Amino acid sequence: DAKTTQPPSMDCAEGRAANLPCNHSTISGNEYVYWYRQIHSQGPQYIIHGLKNNETNEMASLIITEDRKSSTLILPHATLRDTAVYYCIVRGGSQGNLIFGKGTKLSVKP
Amino acid sequence: GAVVSQHPSWVICKSGTSVKIECRSLDFQATTMFWYRQFPKQSLMLMATSNEGSKATYEQGVEKDKFLINHASLTLSTLTVTSAHPEDSSFYICSALMEWSSYNSPLHFGNGTRLTVT
Repeated sequence: DAKTTQPPSMDCAEGRAANLPCNHSTISGNEYVYWYRQIHSQGPQYIIHGLKNNETNEMASLIITEDRKSSTLILPHATLRDTAVYYCIVRGGSQGNLIFGKGTKLSVKP
Repeated sequence: GAVVSQHPSWVICKSGTSVKIECRSLDFQATTMFWYRQFPKQSLMLMATSNEGSKATYEQGVEKDKFLINHASLTLSTLTVTSAHPEDSSFYICSALMEWSSYNSPLHFGNGTRLTVT
């Protein structure tokens, strides 16, 4: 699976948009970009995924660059409950599993 | 939909005993389940892949005789930590892949089991 690079930590003010970057320069053409988050002592929660088009759901938006080498997860109005570790994962392989990197620890501050 | 339930959510056991953790897909059939382990302040590490009706595939460095995995039905996989030792204390998390799933379908995770071996 392609590897991803994320900043180890970010801060965001409550109510503002949180923009979390991810680099995946070695992504293959058929690999998807997935975002999960993990709140302390819980299992990972699925947020959003995409192949090449930008995606939006009730939780977030995913912006993927045209060359697919990077993406940005956008939480439009961050709340304190969005404080978590966010994982950007490129998914492929024969078993469909997810390989987790270190993620970005997002701290939303009042 | 797509709920994965793990039980127990936490367990404390004595060194040398065995502990069984259950992972159930509540509203879908899962041909494949994955077991992860997470130590404090670290990321999730894949331990093994469990396929219904066949032997599990273990990642390098994971002892298959210590971490017994059984995937007897399309909705249940179990992980048994045998002869547990304090170094096995960790957060164990399962995830399930829907039967019809492709890479365009997300994996769903349980809420994890916190194991403490005393």
